[in-house]
Parts: sequence; structure tokens; C-alpha cells
Amino acid sequence: AQKITQTQPGMFVQEKEAVTLDCTYDTSDQSYGLFWYKQPSSGEMIFLIYQGSYDEQNATEGRYSLNFQKARKSANLVISASQLGDSAMYFCAMRESPLIKAAGNKLTFGGGTRVLVKP
Amino acid sequence: NAGVTQTPKFQVLKTGQSMTLQCAQDMNHNSMYWYRQDPGMGLRLIYYSASEGTTDKGEVPNGYNVSRLNKREFSLRLESAAPSQTSVYFCASRRDGEIWGTEAFFGQGTRLTVV
Repeated sequence: AQKITQTQPGMFVQEKEAVTLDCTYDTSDQSYGLFWYKQPSSGEMIFLIYQGSYDEQNATEGRYSLNFQKARKSANLVISASQLGDSAMYFCAMRESPLIKAAGNKLTFGGGTRVLVKP
Repeated sequence: NAGVTQTPKFQVLKTGQSMTLQCAQDMNHNSMYWYRQDPGMGLRLIYYSASEGTTDKGEVPNGYNVSRLNKREFSLRLESAAPSQTSVYFCASRRDGEIWGTEAFFGQGTRLTVV
């Protein structure tokens, strides 16, 4: 079963508008971490934001915020005030706790969402 | 700091040939990972290593072997390359031992074509 699901294969967003990228996950662990990465056309993976499962507040990093709804197992990324440079693939990822399982250092990625910002 | 270094950056193999993709990190990280990324798709975990001397299978381990001989280096070997292994391969490393995890750092990728 897929652990991380990103249901939006591609999105257009107008420059300066906000965009929400969906991510749902599946885990039986109580302790886990959720990450978002950006992959521009050049191919490198750029870390954006992290949310721990026990964090009480939603994570924010500049124009990026994470809408974490634990009961619904969703961790949506919100990009505010989109810029042309935000055009890229965006990946949601989950790390399951290494302190509960000896081999629990997996970092699993979703299929990604391609965002194209229009001027 | 170099971060995570992968070699080579590009490689073309004939079906049946073998090769090893090299990955080294200089951040003293415990965990290291190998992923493949097919065109327009996400990253799929091939193998990972929680510490020196230990490795575990990910989602798509068939056709690959790995070796974690020391803390810095984690290599991926294709014993008999097949066209289905044409992909971009990413190595990543991550500091571990903390519940409130840190992010993984990625290499620049190796673009492998098997003909």
C-alpha cells in the first residue's frame, strides 16, 4: 500500500497567489516526521519544511507553511505569494520513527505535484 | 562542505553490464539512502542504511545490491543492467538518532541509461 499519496499531478497558479499542495499519508506509528521537498527542472532536491507528528503548531518557513491535520493524516503544503521561481516538482515525504523500530529509518516519498506559476 | 557527492553523473550501459554507483557524504550522518526516479515520477527507495555495516531493502530492491563499508560511503551496484533500470539515481544522507528528525541531504543524481 502506498504510504504517501499526492493526488494532484499538476497545477497552474497565478503569480502572487497562494497554492495548496495535497499530501496524505499512511502509518501506524505514533511518532513520525513529514517533509516537503522542491525539485526544480535542474534536478536537485531542496528541503522546504518539516513537521513532527507531536508538534502542536503547524510548521512555517518563510512563504511555506504546512497544514497538518493529524486525524485526517494529511500534511498539505501552502505556498503563499507564488513566484515564477516556485515552478517545480514538489514532493511530500515521511520518515517513520527510528526509536520504535530498529530499521525504522525509511524516508518514503510521494509521487509529486508539478507546479507551474503563470506570470 | 561538499555534502553528498555521487559519481558518475552520467552513465550509459549495455544490457547485462555491471556497474557501481558511488556515494559519499562528509556530514558524519548515520543514515544513507538510494532512490531511483523515473521520468515524471516520485522517488522510490531502493535500499537504505541506518548505520555502518547495516543495510535494508526499500520498495524496489530487485536487481540491486548495496554496500556500506564505512560511515561516509554507500555504494549501489547493478550486477546485470536491464533497460528497466534506466532512471535517475539519487543518494541521500541524514543525521539520525533524534525523534524530531532532520532533513535528508541529496546528491546531484546519476542519470543512467541502459540500452
